[in-house]
Amino acid sequence: GAGVSQTPSNKVTEKGKYVELRCDPISGHTALYWYRQSLGQGPEFLIYFQGTGAADDSGLPNDRFFAVRPEGSVSTLKIQRTERGDSAVYLCASSLYTLAGDVNEQFFGPGTRLTVL
Amino acid sequence: SQQGEEDPQALSIQEGENATMNCSYKTSINNLQWYRQNSGRGLVHLILIRSNEREKHSGRLRVTLDTSKKSSSLLITASRAADTASYFCATDASGAGSYQLTFGKGTKLSVIP
Repeated sequence: GAGVSQTPSNKVTEKGKYVELRCDPISGHTALYWYRQSLGQGPEFLIYFQGTGAADDSGLPNDRFFAVRPEGSVSTLKIQRTERGDSAVYLCASSLYTLAGDVNEQFFGPGTRLTVL
Repeated sequence: SQQGEEDPQALSIQEGENATMNCSYKTSINNLQWYRQNSGRGLVHLILIRSNEREKHSGRLRVTLDTSKKSSSLLITASRAADTASYFCATDASGAGSYQLTFGKGTKLSVIP
């Protein structure tokens, strides 16, 4: 079946603008994750959804970042008043993970490259 | 924050040679996974090793895990130009509610034809 998809693949915006990044997880995956990857670094965790609820948003850097998953499938990461430091690749992943101790193999999308000018 | 540290940061080898990458981590884990990333975009899952396993094979990949040293290694045998990519280890922490993966900074592998 289809893998995780993310749109847009690239987004260029100006400082101070609002952006939305979309993630379509693998069908049937209850868990969804957002990560951010800066140049030369590994991905860093932002937020985790189990179903419709954000089970952990401790990785969000500040209150300009927000994510939703209203129907337990597609998720949108929203960034308000973008700053140049927000420039990065935003990766989405999904998994069948449901319980602590489960094997949590995460499947990643191709990412959205966000550039804030 | 980054949990793991891959070593070396960059590795350049000739096609046909073996490539070994190492990863160290800090906290107790449920399992450790290795991912490959081409051109700074999506990550591809390569192999997962559980904390009670010491070695695992998948095709040309061999992964070892030493929980006493909090380290893992990824060996790619008979490398090919198509193996050129960045390789990341990611740990899945122990304890209730563990779910997020914590990645290292990666090893950039170049395989020269």
